Amino acid sequence: AQSVSQHNHHVILSEAASLELGCNYSYGGTVNLFWYVQYPGQHLQLLLKYFSGDPLVKGIKGFEAEFIKSKFSFNLRKPSVQWSDTAEYFCAVNAMGGADGLTFGKGTHLIIQP
Amino acid sequence: ETGVTQTPRHLVMGMTNKKSLKCEQHLGHNAMYWYKQSAKKPLELMFVYSLEERVENNSVPSRFSPECPNSSHLFLHLHTLQPEDSALYLCASSQTLSGIGVYGYTFGSGTRLTVV
Repeated sequence: AQSVSQHNHHVILSEAASLELGCNYSYGGTVNLFWYVQYPGQHLQLLLKYFSGDPLVKGIKGFEAEFIKSKFSFNLRKPSVQWSDTAEYFCAVNAMGGADGLTFGKGTHLIIQP
Repeated sequence: ETGVTQTPRHLVMGMTNKKSLKCEQHLGHNAMYWYKQSAKKPLELMFVYSLEERVENNSVPSRFSPECPNSSHLFLHLHTLQPEDSALYLCASSQTLSGIGVYGYTFGSGTRLTVV
């Protein structure tokens, strides 16, 4: 079965700092990869996704992620965070063509201090 | 609005009650899902439906019973729940089971369930 590990459960940054959230997955086959964000009191929103092609994917709100197959990683980055980026961030994996839906990591609670 | 609508938003039920959660998607997706979001735990997949056919999931207690009458609607019937079942229940949909498509997996806002 696939699993997802997010290394940082709580991250506190100041505005304008750079962000990198780690995500590793365990599954030997081809995967689809996702990052979701959940702002306080809101629903899960898709930040970005990777299916194939260029391993550097760009998403909404200035976020990007890089798929490194050899490291089973899909880290999320943003060069300069804003106070409005305060939220819970979830990495998720689906085995290509699998019927297992999404497997999520435990999430990273990001707090941006003004 | 996400295109996936869940009702009710909040539900308080006793352990002997029977209630149902409803999910409706307006995206023309072919797959629908129920997830459970508990504090300090990863989102847990409960059930998957593809083209109205249930994909077997054996790890969910029988007190949770899903129903998918058509490709736009998904229900979760609840009976004799336990306090530890209190959680946020999320519905999601996707174009295909693999999530390939513009929107990936689209989630509703959830039903906050409290079992007393």
